[in-house]
Amino acid sequence: GAVVSQHPSRVICKSGTSVKIECRSLDFQATTMFWYRQFPKQSLMLMATSNEGSKATYEQGVEKDKFLINHASLTLSTLTVTSAHPEDSSFYICSARARARKVTEAFFGQGTRLTVV
Amino acid sequence: AQTVTQSQPEMSVQEAETVTLSCTYDTSENNYYLFWYKQPPSRQMILVIRQEAYKQQNATENRFSVNFQKAAKSFSLKISDSQLGDTAMYFCAFTFSSNSGYALNFGKGTSLLVTP
Repeated sequence: GAVVSQHPSRVICKSGTSVKIECRSLDFQATTMFWYRQFPKQSLMLMATSNEGSKATYEQGVEKDKFLINHASLTLSTLTVTSAHPEDSSFYICSARARARKVTEAFFGQGTRLTVV
Repeated sequence: AQTVTQSQPEMSVQEAETVTLSCTYDTSENNYYLFWYKQPPSRQMILVIRQEAYKQQNATENRFSVNFQKAAKSFSLKISDSQLGDTAMYFCAFTFSSNSGYALNFGKGTSLLVTP
């Protein structure tokens, strides 16, 4: 149980276009979802936290107009990178917290490698 | 601000041997949680072990155990009987109740290589 599916696993887009990444909890209700960014050989940095039905809370330095996060249901959160540029190329990982589990349990998606050309 | 420090960027251990990965953290919180995550080449994050700060007993999960020293704010991971499949990045992480709702704060990671 507690599976998080992230899609797509890899995406290449042209500079200036937008790309959407989906994060789904397959067998549980995700009250909170987290979006992280990981540069090569570096750690995971929290970008934003989203709760179902409310606006996402962004970390300092993360542009909310560039990284649009929507958490419209208890099983789906999306991250849209708008007007992507090469510097947005990175590995994006979502994680979800389950309603019925310990608040500190985080279940991770498999990540999305974004390349902007 | 909460910080997590992993001072060993890379480590190597021979198969069947024991290795210890270091982690220190800084916080003014009293109620918090510590974790070790493994990230293999697939980049899927896998929980290795967790420790509640209010528990004095060190957590153990099969070949993995921690040495939690609360006063020293130290949380090291010991891997016994290392296996080739243990080769991965290991991240120490910290969380507490905050505006970010128990988001994880990660250290920079230690790349562990297990050699035959």
